[in-house]
Amino acid sequence: DTGVSQDPRHKITKRGQNVTFRCDPISEHNRLYWYRQTLGQGPEFLTYFQNEAQLEKSRLLSDRFSAERPKGSFSTLEIQRTEQGDSAMYLCASSPGQGALDYGYTFGSGTRLTVV
Amino acid sequence: GIQVEQSPPDLILQEGANSTLRCNFSDSVNNLQWFHQNPWGQLINLFYIPSGTKQNGRLSATTVATERYSLLYISSSQTTDSGVYFCAVRRITGGGNKLTFGTGTQLKVEL
Repeated sequence: DTGVSQDPRHKITKRGQNVTFRCDPISEHNRLYWYRQTLGQGPEFLTYFQNEAQLEKSRLLSDRFSAERPKGSFSTLEIQRTEQGDSAMYLCASSPGQGALDYGYTFGSGTRLTVV
Repeated sequence: GIQVEQSPPDLILQEGANSTLRCNFSDSVNNLQWFHQNPWGQLINLFYIPSGTKQNGRLSATTVATERYSLLYISSSQTTDSGVYFCAVRRITGGGNKLTFGTGTQLKVEL
């Protein structure tokens, strides 16, 4: 296993179109996270899965955003009716964890979304 | 939510110089990580260090959890050390399972 994989690396879409990103976590990691990063800022939390259950969502995650992690393996993040403000780097991370503890996040290379 | 402040915001070094980056946080944490974001956007995990001291080659980090700060030391800096360094923390209570990132330190190492 070579780490967290994200696909695609880059996506350019027209305003109003739907886009979907995929994340494949490290196989033995039960926790998966999505973050968004805009230019000059640190990553901001979007949502968190423990196995297949989505346990936490940020207020940043509007109704146009949906994330899934079927079978507790890979995850998808879909943005419907994209807006120019959605342009950002979308980062996925995974970690092993038990209860209140996790043991360090590993991030993927990200998907850079540009909405034109 | 928890506040994470990093200093300095920008740093320019000559190759071979040493530096110290600081991260202050406003609440008790059970996870603290230092990341290096390279010019291509990849976030590289440098240290998982909720407390104590760790070293990895030219890099070392110390977290004093009781005083709510962490330090990242870079010795004999190289041009490949350039990029943004982020500190990220997870609150023990009330913060859910998310890491909260600081605003980063932009480091440029020149020849």
